Amino acid sequence: EVQLVESGGGSVQPGGSLRLSCAASRFSFSSYWMSWVRQAPGKGLEWVANIRQDGSEKYYVESVKGRFTISRDNAKNSLHLQMNSLRAEDTAVYYCAREDSGYGSEMDVWGKGTTVTVSS
Amino acid sequence: SYELTQPLSVSVALGQTASITCGGNNIGRKDVHWYQQKPGQAPTLVIYRDGNRPSGIPERFSGSNSGNTATLTISRAQAGDEADYYCQVWDSTTVVFGGGTTLTVL
Repeated sequence: EVQLVESGGGSVQPGGSLRLSCAASRFSFSSYWMSWVRQAPGKGLEWVANIRQDGSEKYYVESVKGRFTISRDNAKNSLHLQMNSLRAEDTAVYYCAREDSGYGSEMDVWGKGTTVTVSS
Repeated sequence: SYELTQPLSVSVALGQTASITCGGNNIGRKDVHWYQQKPGQAPTLVIYRDGNRPSGIPERFSGSNSGNTATLTISRAQAGDEADYYCQVWDSTTVVFGGGTTLTVL
């Protein structure tokens, strides 16, 4: 079964950093765009960032530009999200998701999520 | 920035048809995808590219998209269809989600 498993969440103080990871299995990871999507407590889904198959294109939601960096390691079938200068409003469950083909495509596989809490 | 507008909630009687709308400027020119999210779970894709169903999604789920409105239709609604539903599009290089609609089956 195709699978995505997130890790790296936790509690951090405002201004701190966290690095999220997503381990992919049972599909050709290097063939897919990948995304991070977050959901604040009691709120809707918010796309955070995505990355092209070879890492040559990366896009971010405006609110995280300059603070978050998406990356991938195709040799290790892993996706990452480096989050710096964290704010209370970054508190959310973070999901990684596979995009079927990028540019307009759907997210057809999702992980179960990892929780990030930013609080003093 | 591009915005998608969904009703906060929709109610449907058991066995009847529910329609959830997603409004956006000329959304008919974009591919619209729909996700179902049950409490405590990750989202799952139920409709992609306006009206296509992934494998395993019942035929009761269908979608359409024209003009400024995309619609997710759930026929013969069941108690298990109670969930939050989100529409999603790409706008240039940005992925946009609607605010979500809570479906209640009465």
